[in-house]
Amino acid sequence: DAKTTQPTSMDCAEGRAANLPCNHSTISGNEYVYWYRQIHSQGPQYIIHGLKNNETNEMASLIITEDRKSSTLILPHATLRDTAVYYCIVSVKAAGNKLTFGGGTRVLVKP
Amino acid sequence: DVKVTQSSRYLVKRTGEKVFLECVQDMDHENMFWYRQDPGLGLRLIYFSYDVKMKEKGDIPEGYSVSREKKERFSLILESASTNQTSMYLCASSLGTSGNTGELFFGEGSRLTVL
Repeated sequence: DAKTTQPTSMDCAEGRAANLPCNHSTISGNEYVYWYRQIHSQGPQYIIHGLKNNETNEMASLIITEDRKSSTLILPHATLRDTAVYYCIVSVKAAGNKLTFGGGTRVLVKP
Repeated sequence: DVKVTQSSRYLVKRTGEKVFLECVQDMDHENMFWYRQDPGLGLRLIYFSYDVKMKEKGDIPEGYSVSREKKERFSLILESASTNQTSMYLCASSLGTSGNTGELFFGEGSRLTVL
């Protein structure tokens, strides 16, 4: 699986959009981009995933660049409950979900 | 909603004890996984299973074994617990090949301390 690079931490203001970047310059054509988050003392929670098109669901939007070497997770209106570690993962779907979680980005939403 | 339930949130065991960590999922998922999470090391895959009675080693299987006698239950076994197995253990499940979106569903974790 391709490796990802994320900032170690970032702050954002409550009510504002949070834009979380992820670099995956060695991504292969059949690899998906997954985003999970982990709130303190809980298991990771799936947020969204995509292959090449932008995706949106009730939690977030995923923007993938045309060359697929980077992506951005957007939390449109961050709340205090969005404070968590966010993981960007690249994986072939057929790998049976053997996802490799790196260090992630620690996001602190401030009032 | 999919529910993955881990039997104990907190356990304290002695070195050398045999430890069972149980995980049950209620959505008829084929795939089940055990991870451990340690500060600075992220989540690491210990074992996984694609079907009943099937198991495959993950990245760090040493010192662990697993059992999957029923589809909904995946047990992690520490035959002789050691202090370096003090960690947070996370169980996860997902659909099999058919209908699989790649989404993993995690339990809340079991924090094991080995003294």
